Amino acid sequence: QLQLQESGPGLVKPSETLSLTCSVSGVSISSTGYYWGWIRQAPGKGLEWIGSIDQNGGGFYNPSLKNRITILGDTSENQFSLSLSSVTAADSAVFYCVRFVGAPAGTRGIDYWGRGTLVTVSS
Amino acid sequence: DIQMTQFPSSLSASVGDRVTITCRASQRISSYLSWYQQKSGKAPKLLIFGASSLQSGVPSRFSGSGSGTDFTLTITSLQPDDFATYYCQQSYNTPGTFGQGTKVEIK
Repeated sequence: QLQLQESGPGLVKPSETLSLTCSVSGVSISSTGYYWGWIRQAPGKGLEWIGSIDQNGGGFYNPSLKNRITILGDTSENQFSLSLSSVTAADSAVFYCVRFVGAPAGTRGIDYWGRGTLVTVSS
Repeated sequence: DIQMTQFPSSLSASVGDRVTITCRASQRISSYLSWYQQKSGKAPKLLIFGASSLQSGVPSRFSGSGSGTDFTLTITSLQPDDFATYYCQQSYNTPGTFGQGTKVEIK
């Protein structure tokens, strides 16, 4: 059974870097045809596509996050990570790690989601 | 970025009702459109991909249609478990933008 589990600090100070890890079980992140990435949801708001990586680690990022975002894969640990630098209160959200099917944004959908982890940016 | 607009933003319906939610893209996206259901405090769940393909395990009362810029999600005979917020998402290109959501509430 495929499972994704987010981990990382729930509180980050403004201007610092938010770092999250997604541990994947049940399938290799090197599997062909899938992309692994992150979606966030600010409290009471809608869903925002952050970015994804392909089986070779190539990244696809939301331009709205400019140069603040990095997603990296670790095939030895079967996990991938998110770094978001220079955070502000506007970055506070529930962050979901997900699997995209067929393309960086999921032409066949986003079929597996982690439970989500709330990250609050506050001093 | 492609803008996705859903309407209505909320609706009230009764068990057994037929419900239709519309999603419109700001440019043509072929059939690269998915629908998700999200219940309070939970991660979204994939219902439909490719505009009309039902995800495995999703009840057949859910269906999707459309192509180009206009899409619909239909729930025939609404069930108690269906009261939730529904989102559309385009995957024609990145960023894979979502609609703002439609909250389906009990009348």
